[in-house]
Amino acid sequence: GAVVSQHPSRVICKSGTSVKIECRSLDFQATTMFWYRQFPKQSLMLMATSNEGSKATYEQGVEKDKFLINHASLTLSTLTVTSAHPEDSSFYICSARVYSGGWETQYFGPGTRLLVL
Amino acid sequence: GENVEQHPSTLSVQEGDSAVIKCTYSDSASNYFPWYKQELGKRPQLIIDIRSNVGEKKDQRIAVTLNKTAKHFSLHITETQPEDSAVYFCAAGPWGGAQKLVFGQGTRLTINP
Repeated sequence: GAVVSQHPSRVICKSGTSVKIECRSLDFQATTMFWYRQFPKQSLMLMATSNEGSKATYEQGVEKDKFLINHASLTLSTLTVTSAHPEDSSFYICSARVYSGGWETQYFGPGTRLLVL
Repeated sequence: GENVEQHPSTLSVQEGDSAVIKCTYSDSASNYFPWYKQELGKRPQLIIDIRSNVGEKKDQRIAVTLNKTAKHFSLHITETQPEDSAVYFCAAGPWGGAQKLVFGQGTRLTINP
């Protein structure tokens, strides 16, 4: 299947700092990527849809100025958590929409665990 | 918008037995239903998916059934093995377009040896 990578896999930062997370499609072009947030023992909550060359579409309740998304190329989307606070600590996972054999599906990256002290 | 309900939240079965996880959805426009398996601290992995023009799909020990009239779909795992232990998520969404998926709450499956 298609390979999606994320970097970093784990990050610890101080409250008030900003953290950038990268999501890359390694062997295909992804015009659309998705960013999810997952709290321990909970489901995946869609934060935003990232479209190459255009503004991201945010889900209701997600602050666009807090979670900046940039999708500047067909293989890279970035999520920047600005002025991070302890309540932003979570597991952030990206996914990419993939077309294969006439079908369309989503493949996920390995996730980034963010801890804000 | 779409709402997906998944149950049970936890399921424990003996190795070799079958496991069934069920999901219901609310939006009749949804026509794509994937299932993901997530091991602790790892990425969700697509294990099987089904589209609304098909009622059942099987891949070795895993099968998914879809009842579009009743708006529910189920994951069936036969001959369960210890490595099947994980959290399983169902999801529903449109096929094509933005393909925004809505996920169920997850089922923690434990296979007892």
